[in-house]
Amino acid sequence: EAEVAQSPRYKITEKSQAVAFWCDPISGHATLYWYRQILGQGPELLVQFQDESVVDDSQLPKDRFSAERLKGVDSTLKIQPAELGDSAMYLCASSPGTASSTDTQYFGPGTRLTVL
Amino acid sequence: GQQVMQIPQYQHVQEGEDFTTYCNSSTTLSNIQWYKQRPGGHPVFLIQLVKSGEVKKQKRLTFQFGEAKKNSSLHITATQTTDVGTYFCAGSGRGAQKLVFGQGTRLTINP
Repeated sequence: EAEVAQSPRYKITEKSQAVAFWCDPISGHATLYWYRQILGQGPELLVQFQDESVVDDSQLPKDRFSAERLKGVDSTLKIQPAELGDSAMYLCASSPGTASSTDTQYFGPGTRLTVL
Repeated sequence: GQQVMQIPQYQHVQEGEDFTTYCNSSTTLSNIQWYKQRPGGHPVFLIQLVKSGEVKKQKRLTFQFGEAKKNSSLHITATQTTDVGTYFCAGSGRGAQKLVFGQGTRLTINP
């Protein structure tokens, strides 16, 4: 069964450093999502792509976060500089359709970020 | 903005007891999805409800969507240890393209 791949699985960094996370969605999935999940809370959407275009980045802290999906396939989420409050699980998900809220989302295993 | 609230935040039951989690939205939803996240795992899609008053069953799990499409529930009959995890509802408003997740209900079970 096809899965969403993410790397690294764990990342420890010091505040003010730069970090980057990578996501490879299920082949053929047009829509890709980056979520942040703080321990004990539900996933919060950071950015949503349809193919290579950003559909929604209203909750992305653009002063320090950036995301790209240049060829409409895999994607990178970057934080620079990292802050203590960025410690969380960063989840990537993909769905086959075109940015519809009725699509099933398939989540990857996540990257757990710890900022010291 | 749209808010989705879930109660309870935590629920501990004895194996074999029933479990219910409730989801309430501040606005009318076009659809609601339910996901399960095992400890240390990632959310996994369970089901989607789109019609007012809709009821769907998956073995021991029963999902309901309210008549006003502002609330939903998940009921598990006779819990088993494999049901352990956090259950999230996620809804989207009319015309919205994104899902808003609730904070989840964490279910633990005493065998």
